[in-house]
Amino acid sequence: GIQVEQSPPDLILQEGANSTLRCNFSDSVNNLQWFHQNPWGQLINLFYIPSGTKQNGRLSATTVATERYSLLYISSSQTTDSGVYFCAAVTQGGSEKLVFGKGTKLTVNP
Amino acid sequence: NAGVTQTPKFQVLKTGQSMTLQCAQDMNHEYMSWYRQDPGMGLRLIHYSVGAGITDQGEVPNGYNVSRSTTEDFPLRLLSAAPSQTSVYFCASGGLGFQNTEAFFGQGTRLTVV
Repeated sequence: GIQVEQSPPDLILQEGANSTLRCNFSDSVNNLQWFHQNPWGQLINLFYIPSGTKQNGRLSATTVATERYSLLYISSSQTTDSGVYFCAAVTQGGSEKLVFGKGTKLTVNP
Repeated sequence: NAGVTQTPKFQVLKTGQSMTLQCAQDMNHEYMSWYRQDPGMGLRLIHYSVGAGITDQGEVPNGYNVSRSTTEDFPLRLLSAAPSQTSVYFCASGGLGFQNTEAFFGQGTRLTVV
């Protein structure tokens, strides 16, 4: 099955800094999503982005499907951005499972 | 707009007890699934369903049963709880690739088996 790898596993920033999180996947995908798991454990949808670029406020994401990676950009980070960021993918051609990476744990210090 | 409603939020069971985690969605998604989240392991698929009356096993199905009698509901049953089933459980609706739907998750159930 598809392998989803995220990097870095941990990231510590000062408030106001920018960051880039990466998600590599081993197969062509129909569905690629980014989630934020907040300190209370809730999984918050950030982007549904099988290809192309999307922006939502200080966050943006780009998926280059042909090269099998996706990037999540966080600009002017805030302490409320802390948590774990997951990407998850569904492969093309028959697989019916959303497979998660192991996440990037982001800590934003004041 | 409820989305995905998952209950209970917290549960403590004794070894050998049974229980059902409830999940309901109001988005008319055909695809629903259950995941467990353990430290360092990410989210792993337990069971999934592509529509009413159809279920299948995921990556870690042992010790769990599911059924899908309606589009809206997808309960997860623990038949005889074991300490290894201590985890956080998430129900998801949507996310099936060929339907190109976005997946949405319930708030999670933190289960402790003693």
